[in-house]
Amino acid sequence: EIQLVESGGGLAQPGRSLRLSCAASGFTFDDYAMHWVRQPPGKGLEWVSGISWNSGSIDYADFVKGRFTISRDNAKKSLYLQMNSLRPEDMAFYYCAKFSAAGLGSGYFDLWGRGTLVTVSS
Amino acid sequence: SYVLSQPPSVSVAPGQTARITCGGDNIGSNSVHWYQQKPGQAPVLVVYADSDRPSGIPERFSGSNSGNTATLTISRVEAGDEADYYCQVWDTSDDHYVFGTGTKVSVL
Repeated sequence: EIQLVESGGGLAQPGRSLRLSCAASGFTFDDYAMHWVRQPPGKGLEWVSGISWNSGSIDYADFVKGRFTISRDNAKKSLYLQMNSLRPEDMAFYYCAKFSAAGLGSGYFDLWGRGTLVTVSS
Repeated sequence: SYVLSQPPSVSVAPGQTARITCGGDNIGSNSVHWYQQKPGQAPVLVVYADSDRPSGIPERFSGSNSGNTATLTISRVEAGDEADYYCQVWDTSDDHYVFGTGTKVSVL
């Protein structure tokens, strides 16, 4: 079955760290770029970060640049998001999304995981 | 940064047609994609590249894009179409992905 399953969400205090993981199955993982998209509870979708098929291209939204790091392990068919210096405004559901192409650039997200909730509170 | 504006809500009776707009500066020069998100679920791609449908998406879902407005049209609306809908483009000015503000479709 083609699917993405996120894990690693939970409660973190402001300034602390969390690492999200996304396990892929049912498709050739290293043929596609992968992304993280987040959604604060009750609000809209926000693109967070993307990584090309071979990790050669990486990009971040301005609001996480310097704090979050995206990475992937093609052998393990897994995507990661290291989140440091967490802020209350980072609280959201974080979705792993498969991209329509191998590289970053124009395209769309054609498969999404169910998401993992990150709560940032003291 | 590039802004995509959508109406907060659209209401439609079963069997009628719902039209959801996505406004952006010269959006017609971009490729627009649309996602459906039902409560408590992950988004699902329903239209890509302005007007193409992924496999498994009913023909009732269609899209168009011209000038400053892209439109997702849902024909013969069913109760199961009740959801939030988001448009999305690639912003070439800063190489980032942009989502619209989202539209809640309610079936009367």
